[in-house]
Amino acid sequence: GQSLEQPSEVTAVEGAIVQINCTYQTSGFYGLSWYQQHDGGAPTFLSYNGLDGLEETGRFSSFLSRSDSYGYLLLQELQMKDSASYFCAVRDGTNKLIFGTGTLLAVQP
Amino acid sequence: NAGVTQTPKFRILKIGQSMTLQCAQDMNHNYMYWYRQDPGMGLKLIYYSVGAGITDKGEVPNGYNVSRSTTEDFPLRLELAAPSQTSVYFCASVQREGYEQYFGPGTRLTVT
Repeated sequence: GQSLEQPSEVTAVEGAIVQINCTYQTSGFYGLSWYQQHDGGAPTFLSYNGLDGLEETGRFSSFLSRSDSYGYLLLQELQMKDSASYFCAVRDGTNKLIFGTGTLLAVQP
Repeated sequence: NAGVTQTPKFRILKIGQSMTLQCAQDMNHNYMYWYRQDPGMGLKLIYYSVGAGITDKGEVPNGYNVSRSTTEDFPLRLELAAPSQTSVYFCASVQREGYEQYFGPGTRLTVT
């Protein structure tokens, strides 16, 4: 079967750093993506890792270890607007995405 | 560029009715997808298409049909709507060699 596991909820305070982990078990793997979804909105792309290592985009970084079937999203200098759901998704050989169930991040003042 | 557009935004159907959810993109993307998202859950792939005239089933295709007669349009057809199809439906597209999927705003469907 195919599965991606993420924590269901994470709470942090403004200005802090938070890490959202993702472990996956899939039959095909070309890369790990992260998407953000605000309540009621469409998912928007945050980051992609096709190779092992760290990718940095502003306040967001994403890490991948293919040997451990593990990745994480790191959010720094948290802001209230970062309160949202975050999904990891595995990209397979036909460019399909298999999504995790999502992590609800609550940023508190 | 309008990106990915979906219509309608909201719809209420009675059990047994049929409808078509429209999706269009103006980015000349080859790959298009239909997902459904139930409350508090991730997105599940219903159908996808790698180009005009080519479609394939995703994880949860039962009760749905698609067609792809042009690069731009990828409509999703619901036949004989059931309460289990109450969900939010998202359409997405991506370039052939790309990895960033662009999502439409979604259609919120209730079947009663």
